[in-house]
Amino acid sequence: DIQLTQSPSFLSASVGDRVTITCRASQGISSYLAWYQQKPGKAPKLLIYAASTLQSGVPSRFSGSGSGTEFTLTISSLQPEDFATYYCQQVKSYPLTFGGGTKVEIK
Amino acid sequence: EVQLVESGGGLVQPGGSLRLSCAASGFTFSDRYMDWVRQAPGKGLEWVGRSRNKVNNYATEYAASVKGRFTVSRDDSKNSLYLQMNSLETEDTAVYYCTRGIYYSSGWYHDHWGQGTLVTVSS
Repeated sequence: DIQLTQSPSFLSASVGDRVTITCRASQGISSYLAWYQQKPGKAPKLLIYAASTLQSGVPSRFSGSGSGTEFTLTISSLQPEDFATYYCQQVKSYPLTFGGGTKVEIK
Repeated sequence: EVQLVESGGGLVQPGGSLRLSCAASGFTFSDRYMDWVRQAPGKGLEWVGRSRNKVNNYATEYAASVKGRFTVSRDDSKNSLYLQMNSLETEDTAVYYCTRGIYYSSGWYHDHWGQGTLVTVSS
């Protein structure tokens, strides 16, 4: 199985900060990676797919990059509504797997 | 508007069975891969299983933790996805989400999620 390791697992930041979350895969997954945002008590929401493609309706302050084994999700200027938990997921091979999550909280 | 509405969750004893349903609307159901993803209380996301689309003969895939116990099926005439869960264990306690797949460059991603249904396995 492909393991995904997210770092950090917890992040404290202020509104307006630039935030970067990393996802490392245990083996190469090309660009078969997605990022999801989840707020408490809500279903996850797709932000980025194919490593860098912004899902329709997602603000442009979100961006994704990387390929192979290392990927990043960047929020260029953190907004109050961005405080949430973020997950990466690989869809290269079965079983599909998620990273452990990164919780972004208000400093 | 795409809608996915799960139902069928509840309290069940260890060793018991439960069938979850997901009613889909707002898109051509038969064209899409559909998945189940679960989340144990206070934990992260875990992919459970997949039903491919009609073109791919509705073939299924499962996580190792549920293979042989859970079955994903669908009825395109009813725009519905199902998860039959047998031999339930306390570790299966979770919110179960139905998701729709979006295809891009050889990969299928979860672009819409239902609100989830809670399954509690306890004696």
